[in-house]
Amino acid sequence: GQNIDQPTEMTATEGAIVQINCTYQTSGFNGLFWYQQHAGEAPTFLSYNVLDGLEEKGRFSSFLSRSKGYSYLLLKELQMKDSASYLCAVRGVMNSGYSTLTFGKGTMLLVSP
Amino acid sequence: GAVVSQHPSWVICKSGTSVKIECRSLDFQATTMFWYRQFPKQSLMLMATSNEGSKATYEQGVEKDKFLINHASLTLSTLTVTSAHPEDSSFYICSARTPAGLPGLAGGDEQYFGPGTRLTVT
Repeated sequence: GQNIDQPTEMTATEGAIVQINCTYQTSGFNGLFWYQQHAGEAPTFLSYNVLDGLEEKGRFSSFLSRSKGYSYLLLKELQMKDSASYLCAVRGVMNSGYSTLTFGKGTMLLVSP
Repeated sequence: GAVVSQHPSWVICKSGTSVKIECRSLDFQATTMFWYRQFPKQSLMLMATSNEGSKATYEQGVEKDKFLINHASLTLSTLTVTSAHPEDSSFYICSARTPAGLPGLAGGDEQYFGPGTRLTVT
């Protein structure tokens, strides 16, 4: 099965940097995703890691260590609009052969002025 | 590209009635679509995996006779909540998976989410 842990809430100030951690245990691993979800809306894709290392995309970066079952999402130059829930999701291969995403409970980030 | 729509965006129904939610991939063919449910302040929980032309695969604890899934074409999957009860009130989100090899965010095989359907059962 899959087990994904991430902090429930984080707070930060505008312009700062914040790191959201995610740890996972999985029976099969085929990639880790980060999604952003604003209240009442569907998740939107932020990043994808399948190999160890850092993936940078503008103000957002994501890191993966497969041996440690660990990832983080780094948000730089925080803006008020970054206040949202950030979901860590692991893609695994089920016994049926299909791949599926398992989501963590999300980290609610509140950015204050 | 890779846009997924859902209809309706919100619905209110009376207890005991059935509600159908549509999920469409607008600019790509999705052989696989997924249905999730999200309760307030909870994560997305996968309900079922829908494959075009075959029966859906339901996750443990999800009643297949209550949540009917039909994936009759490569661009449309429907979820019907039968005999809805107040405890079925939730945010239902579908996602569609792009075919492997399609240029995308994760080497193909990426899931794109619909905007969600908020169901309230009174």
